[in-house]
Amino acid sequence: AQTVTQSQPEMSVQEAETVTLSCTYDTSESDYYLFWYKQPPSRQMILVIRQEAYKQQNATENRFSVNFQKAAKSFSLKISDSQLGDAAMYFCAYRRGATGNQFYFGTGTSLTVIP
Amino acid sequence: EAGVVQSPRYKIIEKKQPVAFWCNPISGHNTLYWYRQNLGQGPELLIRYENEEAVDDSQLPKDRFSAERLKGVDSTLKIQPAELGDSAVYLCASSSDTEAFFGQGTRLTVV
Repeated sequence: AQTVTQSQPEMSVQEAETVTLSCTYDTSESDYYLFWYKQPPSRQMILVIRQEAYKQQNATENRFSVNFQKAAKSFSLKISDSQLGDAAMYFCAYRRGATGNQFYFGTGTSLTVIP
Repeated sequence: EAGVVQSPRYKIIEKKQPVAFWCNPISGHNTLYWYRQNLGQGPELLIRYENEEAVDDSQLPKDRFSAERLKGVDSTLKIQPAELGDSAVYLCASSSDTEAFFGQGTRLTVV
């Protein structure tokens, strides 16, 4: 079974600074997708960014970017110019490619943004 | 486009009572998921539907949990009878391609 590990239960960052959240995963598949979801106190999981395993280029969405290291099975999220609204739980998720639709989630990282 | 809609948002029940959660996925999404999220944890899959068929329900405690997705659209998740350990957030999500879209969840408290 696939596992997703987030080793940082809590992180904090000063407003306008940069923070990196870590994620590692275990899989024997070559075709898969990786995601970062944000869950604010409202509880709704919101997609932040996704990465296709076959793409070597790291995904970027405005202030959010990833460092995808396929050989190391590492998928970290970098948040630049942190804003108060970035405070939330962040979950790393894995999904197999064409062979399955199930998502596997890590245990999450709680991000605090300090004004 | 409307997102995934869940109801109720909150539910408090006494143990041994039944409870039901409802989910309306995004129109056209064939895949529907029910997840349970315990406090401080990530979501864990309970059941996944492809259209009307439950294709992955290995984590569903079938002695007390049941689910249905009539006509491949709306879905209902039921617990009967509820136990104290069922207190959690129940999330519904739907997908048509590679990413999942989530509802706001139902926070269940069993007292």
